[in-house]
Amino acid sequence: EPEVTQTPSHQVTQMGQEVILRCVPISNHLYFYWYRQILGQKVEFLVSFYNNEISEKSEIFDDQFSVERPDGSNFTLKIRSTKLEDSAMYFCASQLPSGARYEQYFGPGTRLTVT
Amino acid sequence: QQQVKQSPQSLIVQKGGIPIINCAYENTAFDYFPWYQQFPGKGPALLIAIRPDVSEKKEGRFTISFNKSAKQFSLHIMDSQPGDSATYFCAARTGTASKLTFGTGTRLQVTL
Repeated sequence: EPEVTQTPSHQVTQMGQEVILRCVPISNHLYFYWYRQILGQKVEFLVSFYNNEISEKSEIFDDQFSVERPDGSNFTLKIRSTKLEDSAMYFCASQLPSGARYEQYFGPGTRLTVT
Repeated sequence: QQQVKQSPQSLIVQKGGIPIINCAYENTAFDYFPWYQQFPGKGPALLIAIRPDVSEKKEGRFTISFNKSAKQFSLHIMDSQPGDSATYFCAARTGTASKLTFGTGTRLQVTL
């Protein structure tokens, strides 16, 4: 069964450094999302991406964040200058353009630790 | 208005019991209500979902009950098993490709 993959599984970085989190969505999906989950809390929406542009973003997704689909398979989240409060699990999700269930498929996540 | 409120925060049931997790929402524009199951260190996985034009949906041991007038929906797990021990999130969305708004999660433990 096709699945969303994410790399790395765990990233440790120092405050102020740039990080890039990578995702490979399911191949025929056209909608892409990033969510984050701070330890023990709920999953929060960051940004959605369709047709090579951001379709929606949350207030969390400020100027320090950017997303890109550099080729036909990868979808990346960049944090320009990490803060301690960026420590969280980051999940990528993807979705078909249409379908009875409109299901978003989630990847296994990248645990980001900012020290 | 975008929030989805979920209760209880945690739940312990014996094997074979029927845990019930409840969610409530305010935004009447929500038109799709999925439940996700998450095991430690893993991403959320869709369990079952419902649209507001039906009051109940059953898939295997999982049932969603939906009350549109009360703006509430709940997940029932029949004949619960220790392997069902996980965190369960309700969610809601408007439209076919919009963001999911998640509840705060319920940590379920099924004991032998």
